[in-house]
Amino acid sequence: EVQLVESGGGLVQPGRSMKLSCAASGFTFSNYGMAWVRQAPTKGLEWVATISYDGSSTYYRDSVKGRFTISRDNAKSTLYLQMNSLRSEDTATYYCARAGYGYTFDYWGQGVMVIVSS
Amino acid sequence: DVQMTQSPYNLAASPGESVSINCKASKSISKYLAWFQQKPGKTNKLLIYDGSTLQSGIPSRFSGSGSGTDFTLTIRSLEPEDFGLYYCQQQNEYPLTFGSGTKLEIK
Repeated sequence: EVQLVESGGGLVQPGRSMKLSCAASGFTFSNYGMAWVRQAPTKGLEWVATISYDGSSTYYRDSVKGRFTISRDNAKSTLYLQMNSLRSEDTATYYCARAGYGYTFDYWGQGVMVIVSS
Repeated sequence: DVQMTQSPYNLAASPGESVSINCKASKSISKYLAWFQQKPGKTNKLLIYDGSTLQSGIPSRFSGSGSGTDFTLTIRSLEPEDFGLYYCQQQNEYPLTFGSGTKLEIK
């Protein structure tokens, strides 16, 4: 059974950093691209970043480019999101997702909440 | 960026009925559209990708149609577990973008 379990969220002050992790199991992690998708309170889904199966390619939405870094450790079957210079508008539930066929997401985690507030 | 406009915002129906949810892209995305279901306490579920391909394990009462800019998700013979939020997502290009969601409620 595919499982994606996020961790590392919480309350952080504006301008500070936070690193999210996503532990994957139930599939060969190194064969799949992975992504982060977020959802602000009472809002819709918003794609954040994607990384290729081997980490050689990364893609970001403009609003996080230069501040967020997606990375992975295939030996540990773990996906990461390093978030720097956090802003109030980054407040959201962050979901880890497996990149399925054709730029979509076939499995999702339960999500981890990030609150950016002073 | 490709803007995805989803309608209706809210939809109320009874078990056994059929419903349709629409998604319109701001430019052609060929067939590359996915549909997701979101429910409290459950992980988001991929229902349809590439416009009309049913994801493994998804009941056949779900179907997708459309190409270019206009797409539809149809759910036939609604079951109680089908109520929740539905989102479309264009798979054609980065940045990947989602519709604003449709809340399907029990009438």
